[in-house]
Amino acid sequence: QQPVQSPQAVILREGEDAVINCSSSKALYSVHWYRQKHGEAPVFLMILLKGGEQKGHDKISASFNEKKQQSSLYLTASQLSYSGTYFCGTSGSARQLTFGSGTQLTVLP
Amino acid sequence: ETGVTQSPTHLIKTRGQQVTLRCSSQSGHNTVSWYQQALGQGPQFIFQYYREEENGRGNFPPRFSGLQFPNYSSELNVNALELDDSALYLCASSPGRDSSYNEQFFGPGTRLTVL
Repeated sequence: QQPVQSPQAVILREGEDAVINCSSSKALYSVHWYRQKHGEAPVFLMILLKGGEQKGHDKISASFNEKKQQSSLYLTASQLSYSGTYFCGTSGSARQLTFGSGTQLTVLP
Repeated sequence: ETGVTQSPTHLIKTRGQQVTLRCSSQSGHNTVSWYQQALGQGPQFIFQYYREEENGRGNFPPRFSGLQFPNYSSELNVNALELDDSALYLCASSPGRDSSYNEQFFGPGTRLTVL
């Protein structure tokens, strides 16, 4: 079942912070976060695994609440380059990623 | 280290035809996953191959099939094309057997239009 992302879209000024949420109705093994710019391939940001392990870029932070099957991506001091569509992908027992519909982030100067 | 490449970039087909899309994975990555991305939507998992064997499949009909070769290349074949097959097709490679545990490296995609 597809995870639900919120908000669907957000507009920020450079330097502002944003939080993108992802929730699932099923038990999760992992949550992935990717950013996709228009016309480009999705780019990996972070993986959060059941049990607490995280793998990702140093400047990106995220949380994973295993009990609530929720994850949040924290974007602090946003830059123009942060603009794009953010997707969370979740995996359960089937170990295949199911992506949400995305959150469109626009950072204005 | 080369990235993931896909060919062709764009493709136009008519309903009922067959199409083959190609992907070259990152060297050393034994797992390749294929996704369909409709406009304004997230990627939808089609299937995954590990060392030339399918080891996961999403909710797609059998007319979607694939192959993975020992040289890290793979193919997605779609038979009897339908208008709803129009989408961006992405392949992604990852190290190891479990792509849910590892970073996936996406290719730039093939834009398929079915008329």
